Amino acid sequence: DAGVIQSPRHEVTEMGQEVTLRCKPISGHDYLFWYRQTMMRGLELLIYFNNNVPIDDSGMPEDRFSAKMPNASFSTLKIQPSEPRDSAVYFCASSLAGTGGNLVFGPGTRLTVL
Amino acid sequence: GENVEQHPSTLSVQEGDSAVIKCTYSDSASNYFPWYKQELGKGPQLIIDIRSNVGEKKDQRIAVTLNKTAKHFSLHITETQPEDSAVYFCAASANGDYKLSFGAGTTVTVRA
Repeated sequence: DAGVIQSPRHEVTEMGQEVTLRCKPISGHDYLFWYRQTMMRGLELLIYFNNNVPIDDSGMPEDRFSAKMPNASFSTLKIQPSEPRDSAVYFCASSLAGTGGNLVFGPGTRLTVL
Repeated sequence: GENVEQHPSTLSVQEGDSAVIKCTYSDSASNYFPWYKQELGKGPQLIIDIRSNVGEKKDQRIAVTLNKTAKHFSLHITETQPEDSAVYFCAASANGDYKLSFGAGTTVTVRA
């Protein structure tokens, strides 16, 4: 298995632009998580899905952030419009029910908003 | 919600020595405590975990201890090697709750 796949790996955009981050979880995993990592706030859970259904989005910072999971093999995190304070590394992770918190993280997308 | 505190924030050890990282948690309902290792430019990777029904777990050079009464758990790395240099995160979650709360991380540097 190739692991959790994220794209792009790096994204540089200007304030106000729309940003879409993509994730392909490990095949067979039924939980998918989006985390954000910054020096100031560490690892923050933004949202997680179970069987493609959003379970908890209480970590999504603002209405500018939205996430979807149209099928078991694909999820997106969208920021519209983007702001400089959104600059961070965004991780997607997946896990299998019954393994508790045994999350498998992707390599992350480093987002820079100018 | 759960609050996990981690100490120290940085740790420098001589190769071959031991490293210890400590975490405390606030929610008495938490019963799953994983540790993740993050190397530069990569995502965190699970290295060991412990559940509340045991007090200690060991896997080769790494071990984790848990004290539920005091609400703290620790990671022990023995015979440290240069490849152990990384950022280590502790985390906690309650049973059936996939929301992991992470500590702030410890940057471990192993000096040759």
